[in-house]
Amino acid sequence: NAGVTQTPKFRILKIGQSMTLQCTQDMNHNYMYWYRQDPGMGLKLIYYSVGAGITDKGEVPNGYNVSRSTTEDFPLRLELAAPSQTSVYFCASSFVEGNYGYTFGSGTRLTVV
Amino acid sequence: DQQVKQNSPSLSVQEGRISILNCDYTNSMFDYFLWYKKYPAEGPTFLISISSIKDKNEDGRFTVFLNKSAKHLSLHIVPSQPGDSAVYFCAASEHSGGGADGLTFGKGTHLIIQP
Repeated sequence: NAGVTQTPKFRILKIGQSMTLQCTQDMNHNYMYWYRQDPGMGLKLIYYSVGAGITDKGEVPNGYNVSRSTTEDFPLRLELAAPSQTSVYFCASSFVEGNYGYTFGSGTRLTVV
Repeated sequence: DQQVKQNSPSLSVQEGRISILNCDYTNSMFDYFLWYKKYPAEGPTFLISISSIKDKNEDGRFTVFLNKSAKHLSLHIVPSQPGDSAVYFCAASEHSGGGADGLTFGKGTHLIIQP
């Protein structure tokens, strides 16, 4: 049972480049989340999804887009990378509404230069 | 404005002793609280939670206490073990009864267990 898998683990982007952070889970969880963690800070919610075809903005959505075409996959898209997006990105999932015992992926460390 | 505050960036405790990690919150609408543990280069792992209708929840060596009037919660680890060395995040939600709009996290406390 792989849980939540994130790829890549590390990436360096130049300002203005775009990329997609991949997230897939094999637990048939309905709820999926993207968080970012800046150095010395807590995790902040970027986007979340309550099921395939449904997404919504979190606390810090600017500069990002998401899609949820299947239950398993929840990719995060950066269209025009900026230095402020340098962070560690975590994807998480949970089975039921109100269950906050999330399963997190191991993270993607992104540096924008 | 930080709604969940962990004022101790780090804490060093001797193996076998009690570790007490503290968390304060400002949003009176929070009604569900959790602790996550994180090792380097890994994602956070859910540890223990507590609903606002309770003042204590225990799971093995881990106990979480909630003081609603003081807007304060704490995590007690007894006895502390070397494998407990990690960053601990306090998190809170307004929607213990439902809602998928995520958690508010503190900045974390790095717990170091000394042999």
